[in-house]
Amino acid sequence: SQTIHQWPATLVQPVGSPLSLECTVEGTSNPNLYWYRQAAGRGLQLLFYSVGIGQISSEVPQNLSASRPQDRQFILSSKKLLLSDSGFYLCAWSVLEETQYFGPGTRLLVL
Amino acid sequence: KQEVTQIPAALSVPEGENLVLNCSFTDSAIYNLQWFRQDPGKGLTSLLLIQSSQREQTSGRLNASLDKSSGRSTLYIAASQPGDSATYLCAVRRRTGGFKTIFGAGTRLFVKA
Repeated sequence: SQTIHQWPATLVQPVGSPLSLECTVEGTSNPNLYWYRQAAGRGLQLLFYSVGIGQISSEVPQNLSASRPQDRQFILSSKKLLLSDSGFYLCAWSVLEETQYFGPGTRLLVL
Repeated sequence: KQEVTQIPAALSVPEGENLVLNCSFTDSAIYNLQWFRQDPGKGLTSLLLIQSSQREQTSGRLNASLDKSSGRSTLYIAASQPGDSATYLCAVRRRTGGFKTIFGAGTRLFVKA
């Protein structure tokens, strides 16, 4: 069966510090991968999606970036965090454009 | 631009009641529509996926319908239980421009024992 992992579960970082969130998927090959952000009281916002290794599409201009170094690994990064980067970050995968399956999420607080 | 709206924003019902959650979208050119459940502080759990060619999907006590022409979907929950308490999210995958998914803000459901 397929499993999706995200870490860390919770992160508190100072403004201006770097960020690296990791997502890995098990039990499937060549999945579509997604990074979403959920701000308090708001809907999910798609940040990045990837259809293959090294293929990243950005949906929202920001100080975040994403990379896909391996087929089932998706990394969200920032060189300098802003207060507005606080939120709940969710990774998801799908086979082509079908059902999306979400990870447990990472709660990021930037102080 | 696709917009997804969910009504009501919050709902409180007694246990055993049948209920309907609503989702509306502005652009009928969708690829599919997915309903999710989210418990506080957790990730999303997929409930049902309806393809654009389908009218409804059922899973246990859940039934989701899709009317593309009117830009609406409903999630019907039969015989609600306290364990159904969660936020329910509707998400529309568009057909063009990279199949981007647009989420509604969700309906927060509380089922009282």
